[in-house]
Formats: sequence, C-alpha cells, structure tokens
Amino acid sequence: ILNVEQSPQSLHVQEGDSTNFTCSFPSSNFYALHWYRWETAKSPEALFVMTLNGDEKKKGRISATLNTKEGYSYLYIKGSQPEDSATYLCAPPGGSYIPTFGRGTSLIVHP
Amino acid sequence: KAGVTQTPRYLIKTRGQQVTLSCSPISGHRSVSWYQQTPGQGLQFLFEYFSETQRNKGNFPGRFSGRQFSNSRSEMNVSTLELGDSALYLCASSSGGTANTGELFFGEGSRLTVL
Repeated sequence: ILNVEQSPQSLHVQEGDSTNFTCSFPSSNFYALHWYRWETAKSPEALFVMTLNGDEKKKGRISATLNTKEGYSYLYIKGSQPEDSATYLCAPPGGSYIPTFGRGTSLIVHP
Repeated sequence: KAGVTQTPRYLIKTRGQQVTLSCSPISGHRSVSWYQQTPGQGLQFLFEYFSETQRNKGNFPGRFSGRQFSNSRSEMNVSTLELGDSALYLCASSSGGTANTGELFFGEGSRLTVL
C-alpha cells in the first residue's frame, strides 16, 4: 500500500495570504502525480497531472512543483481568495498506476 | 459534454441489506473507478473497470463487487451491509488506456447511510 502524506492537515489563512502544502510519497517507481481540489458539496476536480521530475505547472494563482527523486510535490496558492477554500488532494499512483489519494489538506480562507 | 452521473445521490439502508450504486461515465471514457470516503479517511480505492473487465482491485472484502457494461456504465454492489459501510462512494471516469496518467473526472457521489 502506497504511503501518501499530506501536510498540513488543515490550514486557515486570511484573504490575500499566500500558502503552500506538501505531498510526500515514496520516490521509487514514480509514474505520475495528480492534484485535485474538492470543494464542499461538489466533486473533486483535477488541478494538475504531473509526470516529470522538475515539472512546474500553473493555473491562475495556483501552481505546483514536483520532485520525484526526493518524493514530494508542493502546491502553492498566491493571494488566497475565499473561493479557494477547499480540500486539496494529491494522488501519486500506487500499484498498477491507480491514483492513491492522501487525506488532503483542508484550506479555509477567511475574508 | 455531460459529466459523470451517479445514482442514487442519497440512500439509507439497514444492516444486512444490500445496495447497488450506479455510475454513468463521460461519453467516450472506458475506465471507471470507484472510491470510498469515510470521515477522517482519504479516498480509498475500491476497484477499476476498463472495457467491461476489472483491471484493478483495492483492499476491500468480497462483499464489495462491481461490474461494467458494454456502454461503460458501471455498478457497484455491497452485500450484507455493515454500519462501517456508511460512506460517500465516488465514481470517477477517465479515458483509461495502458498509460493511464489521465485525470479522473468524478461524479458527485452516492452517500450511503447504514442504520
């Protein structure tokens, strides 16, 4: 069973703050890593799929980096807004390339 | 393009009963995966179907089963329900294929309560 750790578990920030979270995973046999955003009462939505060491991806104010050699990925949110409040999940693949989800980081942005 | 549709959205069952949940994937997607989420847990992988065949299976007891039809629609069944089966069950579709790095498209889930 793949051990995926996300930190912190929860985070409260003020509107306008920048923040970042970490996803740690075993670095051996890396294949791809997914980041998802899950807003309350909605479905999880993919943010990024990252496959290469050193990958950096950006979508608006959100960006992510990937280090497969050391087994971690960072997700950054610049200038957090209340609509960024959600749980952010990372999912590196486990056996047979099935995305194995961490428990997520719950972000609450206070106006 | 219609999204992933799951039915029913909410249901209440009693211990010992069985339940069937349905998932219609995005048109053209051949892979359907099922996940369970319980309070305090991440999304736990149940199984994945691709072209009517179970391609991968998670670490759940045999009471949990599934199938996929020729139109890629999938059902999962839980027999002899236990209180611990109360959870949100999410279905996700993707284009699938051998190099399955494609993003997952999730439905809104079926929330099962077992009394």
